[in-house]
Amino acid sequence: EVQLVESGGGLVKPGGSLRLSCAASGFTFSHAWMTWVRQGPGKGLEWVGRIKSNLDGGTTDYAAPMRGRFTISRDDSTNTLYLQMNSLKTEDTAVYYCTTVRGPGRVNYFDYWGQGALVTVSS
Amino acid sequence: DIQTTQSPSSLSASVGDRVTISCRASQSIDIYLNWYQQKPGKAPKLLIYAASTLQSGVPSRFSGSGSGTDFTLTISSLQPEDFATYYCQQSYNIPWTFGLGTNVEIK
Repeated sequence: EVQLVESGGGLVKPGGSLRLSCAASGFTFSHAWMTWVRQGPGKGLEWVGRIKSNLDGGTTDYAAPMRGRFTISRDDSTNTLYLQMNSLKTEDTAVYYCTTVRGPGRVNYFDYWGQGALVTVSS
Repeated sequence: DIQTTQSPSSLSASVGDRVTISCRASQSIDIYLNWYQQKPGKAPKLLIYAASTLQSGVPSRFSGSGSGTDFTLTISSLQPEDFATYYCQQSYNIPWTFGLGTNVEIK
């Protein structure tokens, strides 16, 4: 059974940093592309960024509001995905989900989701 | 960035109704459009990928159609467990983007 479990959420002041983790199990993590998606309070879904498998180069891409502040990384030895968030703003307050990415070529979809980690940015 | 516009933003329907939700992309995205269902306090769930392929385990009352810029999610006979918010998402280009969602409420 595929499981994704996020941790590391909490309250942080504007300008601060936080690192989220996502522990993966039930599939071959090292082969998987992974992504983070967030959802602000009462808002819709927003794609944060994606990391390819190391087999595919391990490259990352980010949505514009996160580029330069957020970093996605992975540790295939512990089956863990990370989201390092720096220079946090109040508008980064959201539930952050890690997801698996499936599909060939441009057929990319998010088939498994974690339960989410709440990040609150407030003074 | 490719924008995806959903309509309507909300709708009221009764159990047994046929429901259609539209998603329009700001440029052609071929068939690279996915649909998700989200219930309050829960993570989203994948329903359909590549415009019309039903994800394993999803009831057959859900279907998707379209290509290019115009797509549709159809629920053939609305069930009580289908009251939720539905999102489309394009994967044609990075940044991958979601629509703003359609809230399906009980009439």
